[in-house]
Amino acid sequence: DAGVIQSPRHEVTEMGQEVTLRCKPISGHNSLFWYRQTMMRGLELLIYFNNNVPIDDSGMPEDRFSAKMPNASFSTLKIQPSEPRDSAVYFCASRTSGSITGELFFGEGSRLTVL
Amino acid sequence: QQQVKQSPQSLIVQKGGISIINCAYENTAFDYFPWYQQFPGKGPALLIAIRPDVSEKKEGRFTISFNKSAKQFSLHIMDSQPGDSATYFCAAPRAGKSTFGDGTTLTVKP
Repeated sequence: DAGVIQSPRHEVTEMGQEVTLRCKPISGHNSLFWYRQTMMRGLELLIYFNNNVPIDDSGMPEDRFSAKMPNASFSTLKIQPSEPRDSAVYFCASRTSGSITGELFFGEGSRLTVL
Repeated sequence: QQQVKQSPQSLIVQKGGISIINCAYENTAFDYFPWYQQFPGKGPALLIAIRPDVSEKKEGRFTISFNKSAKQFSLHIMDSQPGDSATYFCAAPRAGKSTFGDGTTLTVKP
């Protein structure tokens, strides 16, 4: 059974460039989350969707960040323009609303380096 | 506003020893109290979770202890093994989303 699939696994770009990260959640999961992980700030929730609808985007750092979920099997996180301080590992996670524990299933992450 | 505070930041334990990681929370209205485990290059994965109406839960070598009055829950790893070396996060799921602690890096020396 496939887990959460993220791409690319690694991205190196230059400041000012647009970055698009992609996520395919586990089939049947109706909630999707984007997290950012850094040494300084730990795991931060950026945005989450429920049934493809953005519910809480209060963690999105600024207008340079945007996220979409056009259908139940695909989501993107876009950074435009990118800055060196955006360098981090970005995780996508999904879960089903039927989970008693609210267990999140994480992808392996996209490591972003902005030079 | 951080809802969960985790300690210690790092922990070194000898093989066979007991590892203890603590988490203090501020809000009482959490749905569940989970611990996640993360290996380098991987995403976090749920290790064990406890309901707020239960004081202890054990799964193999891993035990969660929950102290509602102190607003704390802890993870105990018995007979720690080098394969347990990872980063551990407590989390606070509420209203559909989870806030994570800062993480504890556990190193188990052979």
